[in-house]
Amino acid sequence: GEDVEQSLFLSVREGDSSVINCTYTDSSSTYLYWYKQEPGAGLQLLTYIFSNMDMKQDQRLTVLLNKKDKHLSLRIADTQTGDSAIYFCAESKNAGNNRKLIWGLGTSLAVNP
Amino acid sequence: DGGITQSPKYLFRKEGQNVTLSCEQNLNHDAMYWYRQDPGQGLRLIYYSQIVNDFQKGDIAEGYSVSREKKESFPLTVTSAQKNPTAFYLCASRDSGRAQTQYFGPGTRLLVL
Repeated sequence: GEDVEQSLFLSVREGDSSVINCTYTDSSSTYLYWYKQEPGAGLQLLTYIFSNMDMKQDQRLTVLLNKKDKHLSLRIADTQTGDSAIYFCAESKNAGNNRKLIWGLGTSLAVNP
Repeated sequence: DGGITQSPKYLFRKEGQNVTLSCEQNLNHDAMYWYRQDPGQGLRLIYYSQIVNDFQKGDIAEGYSVSREKKESFPLTVTSAQKNPTAFYLCASRDSGRAQTQYFGPGTRLLVL
C-alpha cells in the first residue's frame, strides 16, 4: 500500500462534513475508487472517478480529484453515525494484461453523536 | 439477487492442516480475486483469475493455492506451508465495464487453533 497514502484516523461530530484524503503516485492511473468497510464485513464500493474528471457528486458524497498533485478526496455531507467505518482509497494500475488495484491502508472514520 | 458469497464466515485451522475457503458469484464476471486483510496492512492480493482455467499469483501467493474450474467459483486453499494464516480473507469479482469495478464478498475470518 505504499503507493497510496491515507491518514489513518478521522473523528467528526454527527451532522458535520467529513473529508477523507488520499494521495497516489501513478499518474497513468485511469480510475480511482472509494470503498467503505464496516466492522467484520466485506468492502462496499461507494464511488469511483475517471482520471479526466475533477469532481463527481453522488447524493451526500463528493469526490474531488487533483491530478496535478495526485490527490483524491471524499467528502461526506451531513455525516451520520452509520457512516462510521473504514474508508479505502484505491488506484487502478495496468499490470501486463491485467488491471491491478493498489490500496491505501484505510481511514477509520469515527462519528460522535 | 446477484452477488458474491463466501463461506464459512469463520474457519478454524489446526497446525499442519489445509483448509479451503469458498467463493461463489452469480454476477457473470470473468475475473475473480482473493485478498488477505491484516490489521493496519490494508488489502494484499493473493491470487487472481481473469478467466476459467487460468489464474495468476498475486503479491503474497506463497502458502496458498487456487483453482478456477467454473466461472462462478474460485476456492482458495490455505496450505500448511502458510505459517501465519490468521487473517480476514476477501474474495472479489470484477465487472467488464469501463471502470472494471471490483465487488467484494462478506469475507471469511480464519483463525489458528
